[in-house]
Amino acid sequence: SYELTQPPSVSVSPGQTASITCSGDKLGDRYACWYQQKPGQSPVLVIYQDKKRPSGIPERFSGSNSGNTATLTISGTQAMDEADYYCQAWDTSAVVFGGGTKLTVL
Amino acid sequence: QLQLQESGPGLVKPSETLSLTCSVSGGSISSSNYYWGWIRQPPGKGLEWIGGISYSGSTYYNPSLKSRVTISVDTSKNQFSLNLNSVTAADTTVYYCARHKDGSGWYVDYWGQGTLVTVSS
Repeated sequence: SYELTQPPSVSVSPGQTASITCSGDKLGDRYACWYQQKPGQSPVLVIYQDKKRPSGIPERFSGSNSGNTATLTISGTQAMDEADYYCQAWDTSAVVFGGGTKLTVL
Repeated sequence: QLQLQESGPGLVKPSETLSLTCSVSGGSISSSNYYWGWIRQPPGKGLEWIGGISYSGSTYYNPSLKSRVTISVDTSKNQFSLNLNSVTAADTTVYYCARHKDGSGWYVDYWGQGTLVTVSS
């Protein structure tokens, strides 16, 4: 079965750029998306179709997808961006999630 | 604004069937190009996709759960449902209902608030 791999944790200083990767076989050949989840809340879509931002998502969130890796980039990271982030893709006939990355802003 | 709301028992006995319903408001479940899905998340752990259904009844399931899962849709009530049979303690998680966009990587643009289901005797 298809697998997506994320680093368990990423740390970033306020105002700096955070990059979270998601790796999967030929991931660049399919669409990837990203969700942000804060404690006790439902996930929120922050990037879809590799690089599109839903309405209401700040411009500091951006995405890319090429080769075997999709990347979520948060520019000028703020304390409010501290959360778990999940990548997701569609494989043949099933949705696949990455294991999640805890972003710490310190 | 579309809203999804899960409902169902919060406690299920081992070996029995877990049944949840998702009520959709603020929009029609019969919209084209969308699938309606179930996703679960054990406390403190990651997301696991269970499956999805179109308004016409076309289904896709997670291969690891397929033998125990049935998802159905009731367009007259604007609802869809999850049945998971032969549950064990490992099925104790928060269950979310969600709307997937078909043909675009199946991203989820709307989520329910989630409901915790505990499997215990």
